[in-house]
Amino acid sequence: SAVISQKPSRDICQRGTSLTIQCQVDSQVTMMFWYRQQPGQSLTLIATANQGSEATYESGFVIDKFPISRPNLTFSTLTVSNMSPEDSSIYLCSVGPGQNTEAFFGQGTRLTVV
Amino acid sequence: AQTVTQSQPEMSVQEAETVTLSCTYDTSESNYYLFWYKQPPSRQMILVIRQEAYKQQNATENRFSVNFQKAAKSFSLKISDSQLGDTAMYFCAFSMIKAAGNKLTFGGGTRVLVKP
Repeated sequence: SAVISQKPSRDICQRGTSLTIQCQVDSQVTMMFWYRQQPGQSLTLIATANQGSEATYESGFVIDKFPISRPNLTFSTLTVSNMSPEDSSIYLCSVGPGQNTEAFFGQGTRLTVV
Repeated sequence: AQTVTQSQPEMSVQEAETVTLSCTYDTSESNYYLFWYKQPPSRQMILVIRQEAYKQQNATENRFSVNFQKAAKSFSLKISDSQLGDTAMYFCAFSMIKAAGNKLTFGGGTRVLVKP
């Protein structure tokens, strides 16, 4: 199993600013995933963070808006840049399921942009 | 690319009764995982049940069971003897099978309300 500590749990930010979300896993994992959950909606994958290489972004998400770092096998950050009210969402990091393991999620970061 | 569809935005059920949530998916892969996740207001994602596509037997987990129809690409969740604590959003999800670290594709979710 894996325990993921995500912080901050919530934040209220001014438009035009940036917020960095951190996720710490208690074991080494190859890939980490960042999801966005807009109000009342499902989870959408933003990007896959692989240690030692650039993140792979899904359609509709770009590195300039959501830069990701993955400095080692237990840690990743997601930055939401130049925020607008449309970025108000819950952001979750995850370790994906494998052949014999389940997926694990951070507690989520509730971001409100005003 | 895989897609997951949940056609029921909301369901309500009386306590102790049974409710079934629908999920269909589309994939060209023959081997994969399917999941049901529960998300209560706390935002925490909780695994309810998991099904490996190569297993014909439907997964069960206490009061939760699935009806997996591979040919029809259907994966419904039955909650029996519903409890107030079952009130939550439920998401159906798909992932490929690799050794480690697979991404999840989620359906749109079904909000379940259990009434006393």
